[in-house]
Amino acid sequence: GQNIDQPTEMTATEGAIVQINCTYQTSGFNGLFWYQQHAGEAPTFLSYNVLDGLEEKGRFSSFLSRSKGYSYLLLKELQMKDSASYLCAVGDSNYQLIWGAGTKLIIKP
Amino acid sequence: GAGVSQSPRYKVAKRGRDVALRCDSISGHVTLYWYRQTLGQGSEVLTYSQSDAQRDKSGRPSGRFSAERPERSVSTLKIQRTEQGDSAVYLCASSLRGARQETQYFGPGTRLLVL
Repeated sequence: GQNIDQPTEMTATEGAIVQINCTYQTSGFNGLFWYQQHAGEAPTFLSYNVLDGLEEKGRFSSFLSRSKGYSYLLLKELQMKDSASYLCAVGDSNYQLIWGAGTKLIIKP
Repeated sequence: GAGVSQSPRYKVAKRGRDVALRCDSISGHVTLYWYRQTLGQGSEVLTYSQSDAQRDKSGRPSGRFSAERPERSVSTLKIQRTEQGDSAVYLCASSLRGARQETQYFGPGTRLLVL
């Protein structure tokens, strides 16, 4: 079957760094996406990885290891507005996005 | 230009009734997806279509869910004989071709509550 696993909830301090992990088992692989979703809003695209390695975009970085079926989203210099759910999604062999349940990130001052 | 829009934003339906949710995708996008998102369970694909061809990839929930595409950039998700378990946020997304390495652009979602 297809499975995406990520922690349900994480807590971090403003100004700190947090890493959100995602492991996956899917039928085929056509890229891994990270989305940010604030309560009551639609997901917003953050990053896309299809090759192994680290992709950096400002305060956000995303890493992928295809052989391990593993990715992480790294958030630096955390701000209160980063409090949201972070969704990991994998494109399968049919180019459909298979979603994880999301990680709720709570930022404390 | 305009992004993906959905209507209504909120819908309350009595159990057993049929409902229809509308999605206006980005002009020029070929592939349109419908997802259902429930709290704590993530999102599941309900169906997607490329151009005029409708393909139901999820196979579930069987029978009661269908999508029509009366125009290239419009899709209507129909839910027949709604059940309380259908209460969720229904997200519509579109992509340019639906090919690999493409980002899907999401609408704001329709929050459905079945009583």
